[in-house]
Amino acid sequence: GDSVTQMEGPVTLSEEAFLTINCTYTATGYPSLFWYVQYPGEGLQLLLKATKADDKGSNKGFEATYRKETTSFHLEKGSVQVSDSAVYFCALELTFGQGTILTVHP
Amino acid sequence: DVKVTQSSRYLVKRTGEKVFLECVQDMDHENMFWYRQDPGLGLRLIYFSYDVKMKEKGDIPEGYSVSREKKERFSLILESASTNQTSMYLCASTSGGAGANVLTFGAGSRLTVL
Repeated sequence: GDSVTQMEGPVTLSEEAFLTINCTYTATGYPSLFWYVQYPGEGLQLLLKATKADDKGSNKGFEATYRKETTSFHLEKGSVQVSDSAVYFCALELTFGQGTILTVHP
Repeated sequence: DVKVTQSSRYLVKRTGEKVFLECVQDMDHENMFWYRQDPGLGLRLIYFSYDVKMKEKGDIPEGYSVSREKKERFSLILESASTNQTSMYLCASTSGGAGANVLTFGAGSRLTVL
């Protein structure tokens, strides 16, 4: 069946550092891919999505490209802020990865 | 502002109790879902529903049941709570086919079973 694997966390960075959170998937067909973010005490909310191969989703400085050849959808941000501290989930439609905790220090 | 509302943010129950978790959405969405969230395991799908009075098992339905009597309301039921059901429970909804549609989540219900 479908599955999603995210890099192990937690990830701790200094403000303005570059962020990459790896995500790979196994799927049949041509699923849509998503990144969701969960801020402390809140439910998940959509960060970005891509619906077909080579699509790039972007939002709030975050980007991810749907790579069919490597079955990946890695999340990147060039310069993180303290306010980006949260849990990040990669998802393949209704199937979620295990989540990656990001902490950004001033 | 569109919403998914979970009635209880925090619950503490005893082993063997019957537990109801309620979820209401105001977006006229057809599809509703219950997940549980555990550290290191991410979100796992318990049950979902694509229409009123319809339900489908997700990946981990054992020990749970659901009810969808009205389009806007989807309830998760623990018939006899056990300590291994201590978790964060998340309700979500989406419209139409679930393929490219974004899930809208509630804030979660943290259940502790003693």
